[in-house]
Amino acid sequence: DAGVTQSPTHLIKTRGQQVTLRCSPKSGHDTVSWYQQALGQGPQFIFQYYEEEERQRGNFPDRFSGHQFPNYSSELNVNALLLGDSALYLCASSSSGRGDTQYFGPGTRLTVL
Amino acid sequence: QKEVEQNSGPLSVPEGAIASLNCTYSDRVSQSFFWYRQYSGKSPELIMSIYSNGDKEDGRFTAQLNKASQYVSLLIRDSQPSDSATYLCAVNYNQGGKLIFGQGTELSVKP
Repeated sequence: DAGVTQSPTHLIKTRGQQVTLRCSPKSGHDTVSWYQQALGQGPQFIFQYYEEEERQRGNFPDRFSGHQFPNYSSELNVNALLLGDSALYLCASSSSGRGDTQYFGPGTRLTVL
Repeated sequence: QKEVEQNSGPLSVPEGAIASLNCTYSDRVSQSFFWYRQYSGKSPELIMSIYSNGDKEDGRFTAQLNKASQYVSLLIRDSQPSDSATYLCAVNYNQGGKLIFGQGTELSVKP
């Protein structure tokens, strides 16, 4: 049973660039949530996708956008990168029909120079 | 602003001791509660979920929930050096929705 997968593992970008991160949920899961984790902090909720729609959004600017595909995989896009966007980006999957437990992928470490 | 608070630590316990990790939350309508373990440089790994007042045990781990006091804790019995990690408390205020995390408590188990 494949768990949550994310790509790439690491990414280095410069200020002003754009980045796309990818996530495939755990088998049987249909809901994907994205979190940003700065060093020494707990994860912060960015948004959640279900049925290809953004269902809930945290306090992140419009530079952060996402998408969910019919196979439930998801992308996180960040435009006009800032130094402060450097963080571990985590994808979590869950099942809408089987409770609310979220399982995390390995994360993508983004460094903005 | 809904908040989840944890003591950042570090909490240091000797091998074989009981480690007690605490978490408080601000919103009384909270529905579900989770403990995640995060090793340095890795992603959070689910340890326990708890939904009702009282204790829930799973192996060496016991989660305790007191909704009246807005308090959730995690006890780790017979602590091992491999338990050394950051423990994250997370609260879900609406079924299936976002998780709100505390900043995590760093646990160090000394041999």
